[in-house]
Amino acid sequence: DVKVTQSSRYLVKRTGEKVFLECVQDMDHENMFWYRQDPGLGLRLIYFSYDVKMKEKGDIPEGYSVSREKKERFSLILESASTNQTSMYLCASSLLGFVGKLFFGSGTQLSVL
Amino acid sequence: QQQVKQSPQSLIVQKGGISIINCAYENTAFDYFPWYQQFPGKGPALLIAIRPDVSEKKEGRFTISFNKSAKQFSLHIMDSQPGDSATYFCAASTNSGGYQKVTFGIGTKLQVIP
Repeated sequence: DVKVTQSSRYLVKRTGEKVFLECVQDMDHENMFWYRQDPGLGLRLIYFSYDVKMKEKGDIPEGYSVSREKKERFSLILESASTNQTSMYLCASSLLGFVGKLFFGSGTQLSVL
Repeated sequence: QQQVKQSPQSLIVQKGGISIINCAYENTAFDYFPWYQQFPGKGPALLIAIRPDVSEKKEGRFTISFNKSAKQFSLHIMDSQPGDSATYFCAASTNSGGYQKVTFGIGTKLQVIP
């Protein structure tokens, strides 16, 4: 069964902390994505990657960075967490050429205090 | 700028009724229109999808109606059940800068009451 695993379900951090959100997929997918989900705003794309060591900015990349050292793993980094980054973060993956068919993890609810 | 507009934001339907969620888009380059279903505590999952060369697609109780000229598409859930209670997202994808990207609507929280 297809699986995208996010390392933490809930995370509480302090303002200014460096935060790492980890995502692993076991489907050998080329594409990986990070979205944030906020009520009334839907899903907004932060960063995506089409290959190892490759990254592209999404619609809201400010305050975030990413790392993809291995095909199966895609990390989202908040260099200095701020309260407006409190959100649900969703990782997704897809096959190359099938971007519309996304497989999502269960999400990480991040609270920045 | 919201490229995919979704309505309503919330919907309450009686069991056995029809749930209808509407979406509209501006970018005529969109070439794939999926709907995702999200249950509480879970990530969204692909429910059904359509390409713009087809006006309707049906899978069980779920139907997408697509109107290319009006740039609108909608999800119909026939014989709605309490188990359908979830948040539904419409989406559209296209090539942008050489990469395919998916743009989501804001979501509709559906509650089906017995």
